[in-house]
Amino acid sequence: QSVLTQPPSASGTPGQRVTISCSGSSSNIGSNTVNWYQQLPGTAPKLLIYNNNQRPSGVPDRFSDSKTGTSASLAISGLQSEDEADYYCAVWDESLKSVLFGGGTKLTVL
Amino acid sequence: QVQLVESGGGVVQPGRSLRLSCAASGFTFSTHAMHWVRQAPGKGLEWVAFIWFDGSEKHYTDSVKGRFSISRDNSKNTVYLQMDSLRGDDTAVYYCGRDPPASGFALDVWGQGTTVIVSS
Repeated sequence: QSVLTQPPSASGTPGQRVTISCSGSSSNIGSNTVNWYQQLPGTAPKLLIYNNNQRPSGVPDRFSDSKTGTSASLAISGLQSEDEADYYCAVWDESLKSVLFGGGTKLTVL
Repeated sequence: QVQLVESGGGVVQPGRSLRLSCAASGFTFSTHAMHWVRQAPGKGLEWVAFIWFDGSEKHYTDSVKGRFSISRDNSKNTVYLQMDSLRGDDTAVYYCGRDPPASGFALDVWGQGTTVIVSS
């Protein structure tokens, strides 16, 4: 069981906006920036969002994040079929001196 | 282009050792921290270990402390993961990842992964 809690699944129809939550604690999300990754089936993870809503080159601005206290959220607007993937939040934990990954959320585009 | 290539995976008996390598190219390796992350079959991502750009700081997840050791050779642009006393629950795809300066421990480049199977 992950210290960072994500819903196991989420879904939406093309064009919709969906959000994926990530809940932690004061020693991780409450203290540090949250990073988000996308993993398509059979491939390595890809960095989507880092350092307070920064996106690597090539990541569309349909992807954004937010944080309040010890919780963070990834938002995907204008949902597309190619967004169907697993999504993970990750953050450094000051107490554990470890990077923590959430359990992952499988996004289905209906 | 920027690339990370892992190698060294394979099938190994419980209790034995394996050393993974991750060769970097296309960027200044010596200025980047590096991580190892693993993914057991059908499971989520699990962070394994981190090494600072100059090797001065290392951190591990609890389940591998005392068994795994991360190291790097900046002259060879390579990071290693020495895995001893391997157990069945170490079976996973192992990825290395690049951590740019001031990124908040974000892994912006990943290798393709190398598979480790621990089985008798």
